[in-house]
Amino acid sequence: QSALTQPASVSGSPGQSITISCTGTSSDVGGYNYVSWYQQHPGKAPKLMIYDVSNRPSGVSNRFSGSKSGNTASLTISGLQAEDEADYYCSSYTSSSTLVFGGGTELTVL
Amino acid sequence: QVQLQESGPGLVKPSETLSLTCAVSGYSITSGYYWGWIRQPPGKGLEWIGSFYYSGSTYYNPSLKSRVTISVDTSKNQFSLRLSSVTAADTAVYSCARLPAARYFDYWGQGTLVTVSS
Repeated sequence: QSALTQPASVSGSPGQSITISCTGTSSDVGGYNYVSWYQQHPGKAPKLMIYDVSNRPSGVSNRFSGSKSGNTASLTISGLQAEDEADYYCSSYTSSSTLVFGGGTELTVL
Repeated sequence: QVQLQESGPGLVKPSETLSLTCAVSGYSITSGYYWGWIRQPPGKGLEWIGSFYYSGSTYYNPSLKSRVTISVDTSKNQFSLRLSSVTAADTAVYSCARLPAARYFDYWGQGTLVTVSS
């Protein structure tokens, strides 16, 4: 299985909105509403931010939102804050009952 | 509060077998949910290794399937990872996690670095 495709890096200024894309195929992202997003700060464990495309776990800021169109899922962060600077990974369930991650996106808050 | 803690050797020789254990506290493995392993080579992205349900279903990353075994010890509320014939490419931080409905990870361990070197 091939990794999902994410941009290597994105950046934005405080208060702005940014969107990170995650592109797969009809066998993973496009075939199921089972995309999740994780935030990872250096040296820390990943943190679940979005599950099942657009659901936020309890405790996650509503500045984080997810969506999907066709084979591409997106994570949008609005009202960007310095603490949002981190690596972000998408993941999808696949038609083979496996899971696949994206390559990760480094978010820089300018 | 669900907590997961990985343990095992931090250094493994090439061609040998990597063995790690994940101790779960705050939740019984037999109460449901899937459980799994993920790894992250230094400076690189996340890679799913495999997941299982305590009563039998186990799924592995196709690229690792021939070398991976995940097992569970319900009496100790822990599960294990074995990766055989390791090479330097298997050097990574290995993490265990819980998966609600088998499709996303909600609780993670802190991870443990395993280096493959002679």
